[in-house]
Amino acid sequence: GNSVTQMEGPVTLSEEAFLTINCTYTATGYPSLFWYVQYPGEGLQLLLKATKADDKGSNKGFEATYRKETTSFHLEKGSVQVSDSAVYFCALTSSNTGKLIFGQGTTLQVKP
Amino acid sequence: SQTIHQWPATLVQPVGSPLSLECTVEGTSNPNLYWYRQAAGRGLQLLFYSVGIGQISSEVPQNLSASRPQDRQFILSSKKLLLSDSGFYLCAWSDPGRLNSPLHFGNGTRLTVT
Repeated sequence: GNSVTQMEGPVTLSEEAFLTINCTYTATGYPSLFWYVQYPGEGLQLLLKATKADDKGSNKGFEATYRKETTSFHLEKGSVQVSDSAVYFCALTSSNTGKLIFGQGTTLQVKP
Repeated sequence: SQTIHQWPATLVQPVGSPLSLECTVEGTSNPNLYWYRQAAGRGLQLLFYSVGIGQISSEVPQNLSASRPQDRQFILSSKKLLLSDSGFYLCAWSDPGRLNSPLHFGNGTRLTVT
């Protein structure tokens, strides 16, 4: 079945450090891929998405490229800020069911 | 613009008591609706989804049920809560007819069963 695997956290970085959160997936068909962010005590917000192979999603300095050959969608940011501290979820929708399947989430802590 | 409302924000209930969480969406018609649960330290688990009034699909066997009495209303219920029902419950909607459209989440309900 379809699944998403993220690197385990927490990830702790200093402000202005480079961020990578790994995400790999298993899916049949042609899924769309997403990154969601959850700030403390809140629901999830869509951060970025990519709908086909080699697409790059970007938003607020974050980027992720849909790599079909490696079945990956790693999240990157060149310079993190304290305000980026949150839980990040990688997710996919199956092209034949439309349901969103999440990874287990990765907590990012950015220290000043 | 579309908005999603979920309430209450927090809830503390004793074991064996009933539960009703409500979610409503405004600004769209016939949305796909979802209930997710996020247990402490764990990822998100899809509990129920609905593509129309009265159409509910259950993803996992559990102590909970869902209903969609109106187009933009989605209710999560239980007759008798268990300790294991504690968690953060999130309602979400997506555009109808677009299988790969993103989900839009409410702010969640933190349920503590004591």
